[in-house]
Amino acid sequence: EVRLVESGGGLVQPGGSLRLSCTASGFTFSNYWMTWVRQAPGKGLEWVANIKPDGSEKFYVDSVKGRFSISRDNARNSMYLQMNSLRAEDTAVYYCARDGTRYIYNPPHYWGQGTQVTVSS
Amino acid sequence: DIQMTQSPSSLSASVGDRVTITCQASQGIKKYLNWYRQKPGKPPELLIYDASSLEAGVPSRFSGSGSGTDFSFTISSLQPEDFATYYCLQYEDLPPFTFGPGTKVDFK
Repeated sequence: EVRLVESGGGLVQPGGSLRLSCTASGFTFSNYWMTWVRQAPGKGLEWVANIKPDGSEKFYVDSVKGRFSISRDNARNSMYLQMNSLRAEDTAVYYCARDGTRYIYNPPHYWGQGTQVTVSS
Repeated sequence: DIQMTQSPSSLSASVGDRVTITCQASQGIKKYLNWYRQKPGKPPELLIYDASSLEAGVPSRFSGSGSGTDFSFTISSLQPEDFATYYCLQYEDLPPFTFGPGTKVDFK
């Protein structure tokens, strides 16, 4: 069974930093692209970033480019999202997801339960 | 970037009703569209991939159709667990991918 568990969320002041983690189990982590998706309170879903199995390719939504960095450690079955220069509009539940496998670039398939990030003074 | 619109933004229905949601892309995306259901306080669940293919284990009351810029998603007979918000997601070409704004289905 695919299991994804996010951690690292919390309350942070504007301009601060936070590092989210996603720990995977139930599949061979090093074979899959992984994604972060977020959802602001009462709002829709926003695709944030994804990373290739070997970490050599990464993509970001424009709103986080230059501030967020996605990475992974296949030996630890873990993915990370380093978030710097945080803004109030980054307040959201952040979901970790495992991508599909049909194509070179695939959408999210399996999802974790999410971790809350709140940016406020 | 490709923009996605969904309609309606919300609808009210009863158990047993047939419900249809549409999604439109700002440019052609071939068949590269997923549909997800999100129950309150839960993560999304994949229902339909490649516009019209039913994900394994998903009930057959869910279906999808379309290609290019216009897509539709239908629940043939609404069940209590289907009162939720539905999102389309395009994944044509390179990321970033984009979600539609969502359609909330609630009790009439």
